[in-house]
Amino acid sequence: EAQVTQNPRYLITVTGKKLTVTCSQNMNHEYMSWYRQDPGLGLRQIYYSMNVEVTDKGDVPEGYKVSRKEKRNFPLILESPSPNQTSLYFCASSDPTPGLASSTDTQYFGPGTRLTVL
Amino acid sequence: AQSVAQPEDQVNVAEGNPLTVKCTYSVSGNPYLFWYVQYPNRGLQFLLKYITGDNLVKGSYGFEAEFNKSQTSFHLKKPSALVSDSALYFCAVRDGAAAGNKLTFGGGTRVLVKP
Repeated sequence: EAQVTQNPRYLITVTGKKLTVTCSQNMNHEYMSWYRQDPGLGLRQIYYSMNVEVTDKGDVPEGYKVSRKEKRNFPLILESPSPNQTSLYFCASSDPTPGLASSTDTQYFGPGTRLTVL
Repeated sequence: AQSVAQPEDQVNVAEGNPLTVKCTYSVSGNPYLFWYVQYPNRGLQFLLKYITGDNLVKGSYGFEAEFNKSQTSFHLKKPSALVSDSALYFCAVRDGAAAGNKLTFGGGTRVLVKP
């Protein structure tokens, strides 16, 4: 089954304790992205990756890091979490390659990770 | 820059009545428009998209949306709402002329369908 998976689904942590949220997709998509969802603000992009070893900042990158060592994985790293990073996080993937038969502009989302930083 | 506005935080409708969720957008290049739905404790599910072609787009679960270039709108509609349509709906836009696949989302509209 084509899907995007995230782990953990729920996490409660304390300020300053480094954490990693994993994201994996099995659709061979080149493009992956992280969003955070906050009430009334919709989803805001944190970081994105166009391909392996190619990452760039989104709209709200402060306090986050990412890496893309393999095509299928795109972990989100919080080196020193703070309470304002309490949020619902979504990973997404797509393959918007022009001319590619399997190209799709549709982003497929993971189930979400609810993070609480105390 | 690109942006999306969903002017209604919540829409209430009786089951069987038509449902409309409003969305307006702003984008520099060609608008690629999307609707997603989020059920409680679930991720976002793709409903439909407009890339090019017919302005009326049909999607999953009986939903449709109409692209209106002059009004920069992409309202989501369903002729007869079901209680199970109660969820959070997001409109999103991407600049089709830009590299990458950055989506900008609206703030979301909560739909409550009452029996």
